[in-house]
Amino acid sequence: AQSVAQPEDQVNVAEGNPLTVKCTYSVSGNPYLFWYVQYPNRGLQFLLKYITGDNLVKGSYGFEAEFNKSQTSFHLKKPSALVSDSALYFCAVRDPRGADYGGATNKLIFGTGTLLAVQP
Amino acid sequence: DVKVTQSSRYLVKRTGEKVFLECVQDMDHENMFWYRQDPGLGLRLIYFSYDVKMKEKGDIPEGYSVSREKKERFSLILESASTNQTSMYLCASSNTGYPGEQYFGPGTRLTVT
Repeated sequence: AQSVAQPEDQVNVAEGNPLTVKCTYSVSGNPYLFWYVQYPNRGLQFLLKYITGDNLVKGSYGFEAEFNKSQTSFHLKKPSALVSDSALYFCAVRDPRGADYGGATNKLIFGTGTLLAVQP
Repeated sequence: DVKVTQSSRYLVKRTGEKVFLECVQDMDHENMFWYRQDPGLGLRLIYFSYDVKMKEKGDIPEGYSVSREKKERFSLILESASTNQTSMYLCASSNTGYPGEQYFGPGTRLTVT
């Protein structure tokens, strides 16, 4: 079955410390992976994506993510957390199921989200 | 920048009412999506559309229908609202290029009483 798992409901980190938000996936074929962030009462904002190539992907707001094929993981990282990074983070993988309709439907399968709390 | 707008940020409806949620995108994207977001369940796909007048069921279509008469507009319809449809509803759009990240609207928080 195609799925995405975010094993931690909440991650707490002190401002200035490095942060990691974990994500593992199960999908047939090559995975296309994404991270999104959601601030309170807002929609999701795209952070970064992995398609192919370098396993370390850099994205918005100083975030990066490391793709690990053997561990089927795509963890989100930041070297130094800010209080303003506090938000809900979602990992997603492109759903390979179903037919394309003359182009990619780009359906995504989302994890359940991880709440990141950065303490000052 | 891509802009996806939703007709209401907050909506309160009564059980049994017909509810329309509107979504408009301004980037000429072919694909549009409706999700509901519930605590602990993440985002679940209700319906998506890959072209005008074309639609496909997602993972939880029961109790919902959709309409896409114009490329930029995708409507979600609750035929007869029920309390278990109280949720945050998110609209998104994407192009057809691989892998095509999705762009989200601000969401509509619907309460059915």
